Amino acid sequence: QVQLQESGPGLVKSSQTLSLTCTVSGGPISSGTYFWSWIRQPAGRGLEWVGRVYPSGTTNYNPSLKSRVTMSIDTSKNQFSVRLTSVTAADTAVYFCVREDGFQTGGGYFDYWGQGILVAVSS
Amino acid sequence: QSVLTQPPSVSGAPGQRVTISCTGSSSNIGAGFNIHWYQHLPGAAPKLLIYGNINRPSGVPDRFSGSKSGTSASLAITGLQAEDEADYYCQSYDTSLTGYVFGTGTKVTVL
Repeated sequence: QVQLQESGPGLVKSSQTLSLTCTVSGGPISSGTYFWSWIRQPAGRGLEWVGRVYPSGTTNYNPSLKSRVTMSIDTSKNQFSVRLTSVTAADTAVYFCVREDGFQTGGGYFDYWGQGILVAVSS
Repeated sequence: QSVLTQPPSVSGAPGQRVTISCTGSSSNIGAGFNIHWYQHLPGAAPKLLIYGNINRPSGVPDRFSGSKSGTSASLAITGLQAEDEADYYCQSYDTSLTGYVFGTGTKVTVL
């Protein structure tokens, strides 16, 4: 059974950088079958796809966040990470790390999710 | 930027059938991209409910079913149970936004 666990600071100051890591257990992150994604949910709002990273290091980002987000992957540690620069209150959200079955004809879907981590941006 | 529109809420009595619509456009559902559905209970991780428009992952009861037509899709819950009270989201890919998009979300209330 694949499990994902987010870790990182729960509080980040405005204009600084948010950094989160996801540790995957139950299977190698290096498997070429899946992408590894981040999805966030601001309080009281819906889900927003942040972006994804492939084991090769190839990334795709939400265009609305592309100028501020960077994702990376460390297959030796079975971890992947996200960095979001110049954060504001609008970036306060629960951040989920997720496995994406992305090679489906017609678009991928998210089959395993972490529990989520709340990151608040303070002024 | 939710480009998939869902009703904010639906409700039904135990045992009834409810449906949740997901309305998109020619750049996502209408372009042939699949719709996937997630159930999100408060304080828990979202759970994949339906993938590829109509498929249920192992362990998902057959009370949940999905369909897709044109630029819209629907999730149906038959034999509504108290444990089905949750938020439900549809998800697809959008060519204009070049990324994955989620629906606005629907809260299901069991009366």
